[in-house]
Amino acid sequence: DQQVKQNSPSLSVQEGRISILNCDYTNSMFDYFLWYKKYPAEGPTFLISISSIKDKNEDGRFTVFLNKSAKHLSLHIVPSQPGDSAVYFCAASSEHSGAGSYQLTFGKGTKLSVIP
Amino acid sequence: DAGVTQSPTHLIKTRGQHVTLRCSPISGHKSVSWYQQVLGQGPQFIFQYYEKEERGRGNFPDRFSARQFPNYSSELNVNALLLGDSALYLCASSLGHRAYEQYFGPGTRLTVT
Repeated sequence: DQQVKQNSPSLSVQEGRISILNCDYTNSMFDYFLWYKKYPAEGPTFLISISSIKDKNEDGRFTVFLNKSAKHLSLHIVPSQPGDSAVYFCAASSEHSGAGSYQLTFGKGTKLSVIP
Repeated sequence: DAGVTQSPTHLIKTRGQHVTLRCSPISGHKSVSWYQQVLGQGPQFIFQYYEKEERGRGNFPDRFSARQFPNYSSELNVNALLLGDSALYLCASSLGHRAYEQYFGPGTRLTVT
């Protein structure tokens, strides 16, 4: 049972336009959400996060929106640049089995291609 | 500041063998988590260690074990390797066990033949 879903395996966007990456989740116990970017042969790089008590967080060209009632979040990149081409993972944080451990649950990722 | 480091970068092992992967967290970070990423999937949680104690374990068999040392570095051990253990093994560090942002190393690519 996949608790974090990224339903679009890939997305192509023209340079300068907006990229919108979507993520849905099913577990209402998730209390923090993160986006990571991953280039081939590298580990995921933290991009931006949002607490479940907020609905928007912005950092430069990156904005994350959270709709708790719909259990949906999105990452907006404006303007998109060729260097943004990578796989983007949505992740959600929850306490693991009440043991005081906090794990991240990841989606399968969306491959973003920004076309010059 | 140095980020999370992992060694080795690549590893090829035979079925039934044992492997040890190593991780050094960001300076000042006391929590280390291990994740397994197979092709086409997102990383999957294996363990979290904080202050040298196991704080959480994902849905992995007992063949997987780990430990954390006094300097907060960590080892992941996998016994009796199976072909299905072939994956990218990622280490992530965070300030404390409740720190939400985890910072990942480059990973160790394990191939089991």
